[in-house]
Amino acid sequence: NAGVTQTPKFQVLKTGQSMTLQCAQDMNHEYMSWYRQDPGMGLRLIHYSVGAGITDQGEVPNGYNVSRSTTEDFPLRLLSAAPSQTSVYFCASSPDSLGNQPQHFGDGTRLSIL
Amino acid sequence: AQSVSQHNHHVILSEAASLELGCNYSYGGTVNLFWYVQYPGQHLQLLLKYFSGDPLVKGIKGFEAEFIKSKFSFNLRKPSVQWSDTAEYFCAVNPGGGSARQLTFGSGTQLTVLP
Repeated sequence: NAGVTQTPKFQVLKTGQSMTLQCAQDMNHEYMSWYRQDPGMGLRLIHYSVGAGITDQGEVPNGYNVSRSTTEDFPLRLLSAAPSQTSVYFCASSPDSLGNQPQHFGDGTRLSIL
Repeated sequence: AQSVSQHNHHVILSEAASLELGCNYSYGGTVNLFWYVQYPGQHLQLLLKYFSGDPLVKGIKGFEAEFIKSKFSFNLRKPSVQWSDTAEYFCAVNPGGGSARQLTFGSGTQLTVLP
């Protein structure tokens, strides 16, 4: 059982480049989310989805886009990378969107913007 | 919006010492409470959760937490830590009957256990 799979694990970009962080889950979870983790700040929600075709903004959405064409996949796109987006990114999923179940996290993507 | 405070940013203990990590939240209604652990280079894993019932919750690896509603606290404890407990610990709170998007994390506590 793979759980939540994120690729790539590491990435270095130049300012202004774009890229997509991939996230897939095989648990048929309806809720998926993207967080960024910065030192001393815990995890902050970027975007989330309550089901295929439905996405919405979290706490820090600027500079990021998401889509959810299938239940399994929830890619995160950086439109024009900026040094402030240097962070560790975690994708998570949960069986329900009401917050009554714990979220399952992927292994993370460590992203550096030069 | 609710907030979660973890007052200890870095805790250093020797093996076999007892551990207590503080977590306080600011939300007046019912809450779902979580402690997650992140071992070096790994993803967050659930240690334990509280939704309702007995306020003393037991989790994996000998950890437990006590929900004290009057103090808005959900402190994590372990009677005797091991070197392998070295990790970062995150408290998280979700309003009951709300949305998963409302899950709020504390800033984390780095625990270092010396052999």
